[in-house]
Amino acid sequence: KAGVTQTPRYLIKTRGQQVTLSCSPISGHRSVSWYQQTPGQGLQFLFEYFSETQRNKGNFPGRFSGRQFSNSRSEMNVSTLELGDSALYLCASSLDRVVPQETQYFGPGTRLLVL
Amino acid sequence: GIQVEQSPPDLILQEGANSTLRCNFSDSVNNLQWFHQNPWGQLINLFYIPSGTKQNGRLSATTVATERYSLLYISSSQTTDSGVYFCAGGAGGTSYGKLTFGQGTILTVHP
Repeated sequence: KAGVTQTPRYLIKTRGQQVTLSCSPISGHRSVSWYQQTPGQGLQFLFEYFSETQRNKGNFPGRFSGRQFSNSRSEMNVSTLELGDSALYLCASSLDRVVPQETQYFGPGTRLLVL
Repeated sequence: GIQVEQSPPDLILQEGANSTLRCNFSDSVNNLQWFHQNPWGQLINLFYIPSGTKQNGRLSATTVATERYSLLYISSSQTTDSGVYFCAGGAGGTSYGKLTFGQGTILTVHP
């Protein structure tokens, strides 16, 4: 079974621009979570989607948004990019049986550099 | 919120040595995972271990949920074991999809 895939793998943008990142979960997985990893803050949870609905959101500004499609693929968008948005963005998928929380499987990430 | 703390922050070993990484977590954590992040940034699942002991080759993990800690054991380390090891806790319930990560242990294995 193919793993989680993310595109693009690398991205360079300038301040003020916007960016869209894509994540395709493992086949059959319905929950997709997004994380931001920076040297200063470590790995931080952005949001989670299930059946095209955002069920959980981390402590990030409204410039960070996402969506999920009917095939469970997900996108996240960052508008009005700031230098501090430079990070590795990771998505993870899981089967989502509510109790207990399922193992999450991570994609290879998208490295975003904002100049 | 959930608290996850890892120790040590850095670990340097010679090939063939054994090591133990520790993860302490707060009361609200009801499941725990261990990951290895390779130099390219990929997070590789090692163990999903809310309690008990599991083994996979040279790696094993033990979680004592009642005492709020988990240990990851690496035996006969190899240079390919180098990287960052993270533990992450989830609270279940309405904390859908959210894992809280520790700051990681950077492991360097020298030949």
